[in-house]
Amino acid sequence: EAQVTQNPRYLITVTGKKLTVTCSQNMNHEYMSWYRQDPGLGLRQIYYSMNVEVTDKGDVPEGYKVSRKEKRNFPLILESPSPNQTSLYFCASRPSGPRNEKLFFGSGTQLSVL
Amino acid sequence: GNSVTQMEGPVTLSEEAFLTINCTYTATGYPSLFWYVQYPGEGLQLLLKATKADDKGSNKGFEATYRKETTSFHLEKGSVQVSDSAVYFCALSDGNFNKFYFGSGTKLNVKP
Repeated sequence: EAQVTQNPRYLITVTGKKLTVTCSQNMNHEYMSWYRQDPGLGLRQIYYSMNVEVTDKGDVPEGYKVSRKEKRNFPLILESPSPNQTSLYFCASRPSGPRNEKLFFGSGTQLSVL
Repeated sequence: GNSVTQMEGPVTLSEEAFLTINCTYTATGYPSLFWYVQYPGEGLQLLLKATKADDKGSNKGFEATYRKETTSFHLEKGSVQVSDSAVYFCALSDGNFNKFYFGSGTKLNVKP
């Protein structure tokens, strides 16, 4: 089944403890991106990657890192999480080429930073 | 800069009622416009899209028309069902589909 898989589904951590949220897609998509969803603000783009080793900032990159060493994986790294990073996070991917505008989303990761 | 503004929810309707969810946008250049739907506990799914002015996107009885003169992309459905209960997001993207901008979402509740 074609899908975007995020792990973990739920994560509770403490301020300053480094964490990684994984994202993997099995559709051979070149483009991947990360979003955070907050009440009243909708989804805001954190980072995106157009291909392996090519990443760029979205609207809210502060406090986050990403890497794209393989086409299928795009982990989100919080090196020193803070309570204002408590949010629902979504990973998405899309194909390249014509009619390539449709994003495929994972099921989300609910992060709580205490 | 680019931004999307949606009507606030929640919107509560009875089954078979007419639905309109307003969406307006601000953008440079010629964006593409989208409606995504999010069911409880799931990620977003593309509902419909329009890539140029006057295009009408449609899917599952939902429609939206890209109006450049009013910078709007309102979502409509003639007769909603209980199964349409979800959160609806209006979004735009630049011409390269690298950066996406989402509205705040509108929760729709449909009562039997």
